[in-house]
Amino acid sequence: QSALTQPASVSGSPGQSITISCTGTSSDVGGHNLVSWYQQHPGSAPKLMIYDVSNRPSGVSNRFSGSKSGNTASLTVSGLQAEDEANYYCSSYTSSSTFLFGGGTRLTVL
Amino acid sequence: EVQVVESGGGLVQPGGSLRLSCAASGFTFSSYWMYWVRQAPGKGLVWVSRIKTDGSYTRYADSVKGRFTISRDNAKNTLYLQMNSLRAEDTAMYYCARGGAGNTGLDPWGQGTLVTVSS
Repeated sequence: QSALTQPASVSGSPGQSITISCTGTSSDVGGHNLVSWYQQHPGSAPKLMIYDVSNRPSGVSNRFSGSKSGNTASLTVSGLQAEDEANYYCSSYTSSSTFLFGGGTRLTVL
Repeated sequence: EVQVVESGGGLVQPGGSLRLSCAASGFTFSSYWMYWVRQAPGKGLVWVSRIKTDGSYTRYADSVKGRFTISRDNAKNTLYLQMNSLRAEDTAMYYCARGGAGNTGLDPWGQGTLVTVSS
């Protein structure tokens, strides 16, 4: 059960867009449309931002969007704001009926 | 307000046991899958376990299989994690989270309860 692969860090200026990738295998990301994304500010609990690849929960800004191609899922944050600076984690259901998280990506707003 | 609140964490010696609890409120607890996720200090999130609505189906990460047991009491709106044979590498913040209604997003999450395994 190896973690999904995410870049350690990404950065962007206010107003810009960034994309965070999440790479797995055909047994997890590629095999199921069950990828979620979570935002975690330091010292706080994670917050659901995207579920089932591209769906936004009620209350989450439409600046956040998700997609998937093959074994790689992506989270795009558009119109970057200072409050978006946080750690982001992807998660996927697996063919073993378990879940995997990615290692996390630190988003810095310059 | 929909919320989950964890408790039961603390300092335990290697080889010891601990039972975590997660009290749910604001929603029909018996209708949702429930999950445990942990996070070692300064590290990323790691999925630990999940349990079906009626407790009839459970799954575990390989790292805890055979040592941890997830359970629930729907009459008490409470989720549990019994942790046995604890190791130093089990030291982490343990989060309880509600599964989605027909989807796999976890929401909400509790604030977590800290488990420290050390002599």
